[in-house]
Amino acid sequence: QSALTQEASVSGTVGQKVTLSCTGNSNNIGSYTVGWYQQISHGAPKTVMFGNSLPSGIPDRFSGSKSGTTASLTISGLQPEDEADYYCSTWDYSLSDWVFGGGTKLTVL
Amino acid sequence: QITLKESGPTLVKSTQTLTLTCTFSGFSLSTSGVGVGWIRQPPGKALEWLALIYWDDDKRYSPSLRSRLTITKDTSKSQVVLTLTNVDPMDTSTYYCAHRKSGYYIFDFWGQGTLVTVSS
Repeated sequence: QSALTQEASVSGTVGQKVTLSCTGNSNNIGSYTVGWYQQISHGAPKTVMFGNSLPSGIPDRFSGSKSGTTASLTISGLQPEDEADYYCSTWDYSLSDWVFGGGTKLTVL
Repeated sequence: QITLKESGPTLVKSTQTLTLTCTFSGFSLSTSGVGVGWIRQPPGKALEWLALIYWDDDKRYSPSLRSRLTITKDTSKSQVVLTLTNVDPMDTSTYYCAHRKSGYYIFDFWGQGTLVTVSS
């Protein structure tokens, strides 16, 4: 059971806007910046968002937000190359643990 | 440009100790705020954080694996070493090292990962 809860799967068509969510509590998401990691075909994770900041080289169709204890990753104008597993993560001070969500499989139809 | 690369055995036997090395470039582990972590991923499962070492030699471990993990650094060699004792087939995973973004609980650069299989 992950400390952070993500949808198991989300799908969308090319050009569509999709939002992935990550729900935690006040000990983790409510207190720290959330990172989002993209993993294509079980390759190495790639950081696509931290908080609402885009790492260098990540397309600006990716955006991030947080409301209370839920963080969101939004992809506007979905592209075929966005099909991947996405993980959210942050620190949990109650657990003294760096926690990851269970991951969301994003399918581009 | 920050790069990291994991190395170590691909196959270990149950009860043995697994030692993995992360060799990095593009930053120094003697610079204030810098950290390097280890994360693993069992086949078909989610990412799991294992350990983190900071520039000042402060260390953090996953509570569930703390008793079996040790993380060390060799700043002169730009390496971080992770040892996991008394391995079990459930430790079969791809092991990643990653650079912690200074000031955040975020990994901003990742290694390619190394698959370790534990045989019974």
